[in-house]
Amino acid sequence: GAVVSQHPSWVICKSGTSVKIECRSLDFQATTMFWYRQFPKQSLMLMATSNEGSKATYEQGVEKDKFLINHASLTLSTLTVTSAHPEDSSFYICSAGGLLNPTEAFFGQGTRLTVV
Amino acid sequence: QQQVKQSPQSLIVQKGGISIINCAYENTAFDYFPWYQQFPGKGPALLIAIRPDVSEKKEGRFTISFNKSAKQFSLHIMDSQPGDSATYFCAASKGGKLIFGQGTELSVKP
Repeated sequence: GAVVSQHPSWVICKSGTSVKIECRSLDFQATTMFWYRQFPKQSLMLMATSNEGSKATYEQGVEKDKFLINHASLTLSTLTVTSAHPEDSSFYICSAGGLLNPTEAFFGQGTRLTVV
Repeated sequence: QQQVKQSPQSLIVQKGGISIINCAYENTAFDYFPWYQQFPGKGPALLIAIRPDVSEKKEGRFTISFNKSAKQFSLHIMDSQPGDSATYFCAASKGGKLIFGQGTELSVKP
């Protein structure tokens, strides 16, 4: 199956700083990538849809100025959590849909963000 | 309209038994229904998926049953093994955008 790589797998940062998470499709081109957030013992909640070469589409209740998404190429999307606070601590997961089959999503391994 | 409801929240099954997890959706525009398995600290991994023009799909020990008129679908895990112990999520998708169910924590006892 297709491989989506997420980096870093975990990060600890101080409150008020910014953190960048990368999502790469390694063996296919992804026109669309999706960013999810998962709190402990909860389901995955879609945060935003990232489209190559255009602005991301954010779900209701997700602050676009806080969660900056850039999809600069067909293999890379980045999520930057700006001015992170402890309540932003969560598991962030990306997924990518292929050019040939955008419906089927392949997930990265996730990034555990802890804000102290 | 966008919700996917999943039950049960947790499930305990004996080794060799059948695990059954159910999901219901509301939006008839969904056109892809995958099931994911997630282990602690890992991203979800696709188990099996079905499209609404098919009523059943089987892959190894995993079977999806799909009832389009009732807007329900279920995952059956035959001959459940301790290694199947994980959290399972159903999802519904349109254009790759996934709406997840609440998850089911499955524990298979030896």
